Amino acid sequence: DAKTTQPNSMESNEEEPVHLPCNHSTISGTDYIHWYRQLPSQGPEYVIHGLTSNVNNRMASLAIAEDRKSSTLILHRATLRDAAVYYCILSVNNDMRFGAGTRLTVKP
Amino acid sequence: DAGVTQSPTHLIKTRGQQVTLRCSPKSGHDTVSWYQQALGQGPQFIFQYYEEEERQRGNFPDRFSGHQFPNYSSELNVNALLLGDSALYLCASSLLPRVPGGYTFGSGTRLTVV
Repeated sequence: DAKTTQPNSMESNEEEPVHLPCNHSTISGTDYIHWYRQLPSQGPEYVIHGLTSNVNNRMASLAIAEDRKSSTLILHRATLRDAAVYYCILSVNNDMRFGAGTRLTVKP
Repeated sequence: DAGVTQSPTHLIKTRGQQVTLRCSPKSGHDTVSWYQQALGQGPQFIFQYYEEEERQRGNFPDRFSGHQFPNYSSELNVNALLLGDSALYLCASSLLPRVPGGYTFGSGTRLTVV
């Protein structure tokens, strides 16, 4: 499986935008880029996914580099409820394999 | 719309014992995947069941086994428990053919081995 690299942790202030980076230099042409997040004491939940084009949904935006070797999850206005571990996952057949993720801390 | 239900939520077992964890998938889903999540780490894939067969397996010993029933629910069995098996066990359901972003996770079962 193609690997992803994410920072171990990031901090943000409440109501400010957050940009969570993910590097995936060995991505193949058919790999989808998925983002899941795990809130404390819960299972992971789906955030967003994309293939080549930037994507927006009610939770976040996904910006994908033109060469697809990196992507950025954008939370437009972080809230305290967005404090979680965010996982960037590559999958060609949508089987999920998790790395260590980025722990996002949101400060009031 | 009921999501993924796991039971029990917590349990404590003694080293050497056997344990069975249960998972009911989201309505309409036919595939169940199991993950082990140690404290501070990301979930690690154990195996996946579809049509009552083990479809894929991660790097886990044969002490970890599973089953899927005709109603798509699933069990995870762990024999000869070790202290290192203490973890959060997560169940995820999805649908074949897989839809991107189509995984739904339960809240997990916290297993403590003493």
